[in-house]
Amino acid sequence: DAGITQSPRYKITETGRQVTLMCHQTWSHSYMFWYRQDLGHGLRLIYYSAAADITDKGEVPDGYVVSRSKTENFPLTLESATRSQTSVYFCASTGGETQYFGPGTRLLVL
Amino acid sequence: TQLLEQSPQFLSIQEGENLTVYCNSSSVFSSLQWYRQEPGEGPVLLVTVVTGGEVKKLKRLTFQFGDARKDSSLHITAAQPGDTGLYLCAGARNFNKFYFGSGTKLNVKP
Repeated sequence: DAGITQSPRYKITETGRQVTLMCHQTWSHSYMFWYRQDLGHGLRLIYYSAAADITDKGEVPDGYVVSRSKTENFPLTLESATRSQTSVYFCASTGGETQYFGPGTRLLVL
Repeated sequence: TQLLEQSPQFLSIQEGENLTVYCNSSSVFSSLQWYRQEPGEGPVLLVTVVTGGEVKKLKRLTFQFGDARKDSSLHITAAQPGDTGLYLCAGARNFNKFYFGSGTKLNVKP
């Protein structure tokens, strides 16, 4: 199906483990984004990418790594998960003026 | 500190009432967007306003962009239970980097 998908939808991990969240879009949009959503903070931009092999930091990039080897994929890696990274993570891509969001990944770090 | 301040944070009203949600900033944005988010899903774009002073209507929803492009408002006329959700505003810098407000949680009681 066309659209933007995220996997896994739910993840429980332990402090110190590496976790990768996947994001895939079928529109060939140039711009892709990763946000985290926490109560009281709304959505905060972690990283974004203007095209394959071009990425840049957002508001809260510390502890996260991204890559974009292909236009359609934009994985987000937590190199060593911490409890403060417990959150809901949303991937998005931009087509024209419209930002399309994936369904989110709920991550719990114990 | 949030770049965009949304108010109120919570709103619980009866069906048929009118309401206004505000999104304020000291920064200028190239455009401002309003989203609605349902529980367990990603935000969905409602409208984008680009020109200072612009007013857009979407059925019972009226969106306004401030003359200086620093603030916006969302007015809902005769709210219905189907309007219940989290409303988010997002300001864009250079049309591709988005800053979100913390959201307004609206509950419309039948």
